Amino acid sequence: EAQVTQNPRYLITVTGKKLTVTCSQNMNHEYMSWYRQDPGLGLRQIYYSMNVEVTDKGDVPEGYKVSRKEKRNFPLILESPSPNQTSLYFCASRIGVPPDEQYFGPGTRLTVT
Amino acid sequence: AQTVTQSQPEMSVQEAETVTLSCTYDTSESDYYLFWYKQPPSRQMILVIRQEAYKQQNATENRFSVNFQKAAKSFSLKISDSQLGDAAMYFCAYRSPYGGSQGNLIFGKGTKLSVKP
Repeated sequence: EAQVTQNPRYLITVTGKKLTVTCSQNMNHEYMSWYRQDPGLGLRQIYYSMNVEVTDKGDVPEGYKVSRKEKRNFPLILESPSPNQTSLYFCASRIGVPPDEQYFGPGTRLTVT
Repeated sequence: AQTVTQSQPEMSVQEAETVTLSCTYDTSESDYYLFWYKQPPSRQMILVIRQEAYKQQNATENRFSVNFQKAAKSFSLKISDSQLGDAAMYFCAYRSPYGGSQGNLIFGKGTKLSVKP
């Protein structure tokens, strides 16, 4: 089954404790992205990747890091989480050629206290 | 830069009735894609319908249809015969046809739809 998986689905952590949210896709997609969703703000892109070792900032990259060492994986790293990073996070992927539908992961609910 | 605006934070519809969700966007591009996504309480993002800007015909998927007005930069979603399972957050999204960062989705802030039995 074609899918994007994220882990963990829920995470409660404390300020400053480094964490990683994993993302993996099994569709051989070139493009992968991370979004955060906040009430009243919709989804905003954090980082995206066009291929292995090629990443770039989205609209809200501050406080986040990503890496793309393998095509299927695109982890999101918060080296020193803060309460304003409490949010719902989505990983997504697309192939990059028409119809180029975006596939979303199930979301990760992160709470930073 | 492109922007997407959903002016209705919340909407309500009676079961079996029809409801229309509004979306406007701003772009200088002539070709692009528009989408409506549904996010039920499970939080999963589900693609409802897509529209290519070069197509004049409005897209339809079962009970879901769009009214695409390119000149007005308007892209509304009509849900006919509303069902309880339609209750969700709905997001309108824009995407350029190009690669790289230009091909990334730009979302509106969402409209929360409630369906009354």
